[in-house]
Amino acid sequence: DIQMTQSPSTLSASVGDRVTITCRASQSVNSWLAWYQQKPGKAPKLLIYKVSTLESGVPSRFSGSGSGTEFTLTISSLQPDDFATYYCQQYNSYSYTFGQGTKLEIK
Amino acid sequence: EVQLVESGGGLVQPGGSLRLSCAASGFTFSSYDMNWVRQAPGKEPEWVSYISSSGSNINYADSVKGRFTISRDDAKNSLYLHMNSLRVEDTAIYYCAKDKRYYLFDYWGQGTLVTVSS
Repeated sequence: DIQMTQSPSTLSASVGDRVTITCRASQSVNSWLAWYQQKPGKAPKLLIYKVSTLESGVPSRFSGSGSGTEFTLTISSLQPDDFATYYCQQYNSYSYTFGQGTKLEIK
Repeated sequence: EVQLVESGGGLVQPGGSLRLSCAASGFTFSSYDMNWVRQAPGKEPEWVSYISSSGSNINYADSVKGRFTISRDDAKNSLYLHMNSLRVEDTAIYYCAKDKRYYLFDYWGQGTLVTVSS
């Protein structure tokens, strides 16, 4: 199975900051990489798929990049609503694994 | 508006059984593949099971294979997960998730909590 590793596990930042979260796969996932946002007590929400395609309704301050085994999620200017936990997920192959998450906290 | 509403969770003893249901609305249920995804407390989500729109293709995570059964009833716009031989490590919130593309989840329900404990 492909292992997904995110860094950092926790990130403290301020409103207006530019932040980047990294996701590394134990083997290539081609371009089948997604990012989700989860707030406490809620289900994950799809933000980005196929590395860099924004889901409908997702603000343009979110962007994704990368290829093969290394990927990044960037938020260009943090807004108060963005403080949440972010997960990457590979949907290239069984068992469609998620990273362990990055909690984005207010500094 | 797409809505997925899970039900059927609860407290069950190890070795017990439960049936989860997911009622779908706001989209043509019969045209979409569906999944169950679970999330243990404080952990990342874990894909559990997949069923194709036709019901002919079904897949399970190794951790539940042989114990869980996914099914769907398109006439009722409903997805099910029959869970047998439950273990403590099956304790999690179980989400019903619509498939945007194979194993990519674009809509999730609010989840139903399954607690396996003696």
